[in-house]
Amino acid sequence: ILNVEQSPQSLHVQEGDSTNFTCSFPSSNFYALHWYRWETAKSPEALFVMTLNGDEKKKGRISATLNTKEGYSYLYIKGSQPEDSATYLCAFSDSGGYQKVTFGTGTKLQVIP
Amino acid sequence: DAMVIQNPRYQVTQFGKPVTLSCSQTLNHNVMYWYQQKSSQAPKLLFHYYDKDFNNEADTPDNFQSRRPNTSFCFLDIRSPGLGDAAMYLCATSRARFQETQYFGPGTRLLVL
Repeated sequence: ILNVEQSPQSLHVQEGDSTNFTCSFPSSNFYALHWYRWETAKSPEALFVMTLNGDEKKKGRISATLNTKEGYSYLYIKGSQPEDSATYLCAFSDSGGYQKVTFGTGTKLQVIP
Repeated sequence: DAMVIQNPRYQVTQFGKPVTLSCSQTLNHNVMYWYQQKSSQAPKLLFHYYDKDFNNEADTPDNFQSRRPNTSFCFLDIRSPGLGDAAMYLCATSRARFQETQYFGPGTRLLVL
């Protein structure tokens, strides 16, 4: 059983604050790390897929970094807005025989206006 | 817009009464997945189809079955729902198996009375 952990479980930030959260995953048999954003009553939406150690991805105010050797990825949100309120899920794909995707439990972000 | 659609969004059933959840996609993806997510837990893969090839997870209870009559549609059948089966059920698709980005429907929340 692969262990994918996200922290914190939830957080509240004020509008305009920057924030970040962590996804930890096994450092062996890495294939890809996915980030998804899941707003209430909507479909989870893909943000990034990261495949190389040292990868950095950016989409507007949201960016992500990847360290496959130590097994973690950070998601950063600069200048949080109320529309950023969502649960952010990471998903780890391994390169082993079954190549299964394992999700973390998510970080629930609430941005207070 | 191409998308993944799940019906119904909310489903109430009685203990032991069979229920079917449906998923359709306009993306023409080969792979369709069913996930179960209980409160504060990670989405848990129940099974997936690669084209017509059905792949059951080892720990998926026999009570859960699936059908994929064509590329566009996939159904989740719960033969005798128990109280522990109350959860959010997510359908997702991807072009290739697992490593690629998955496209999700909005989910069906199942309540068992």
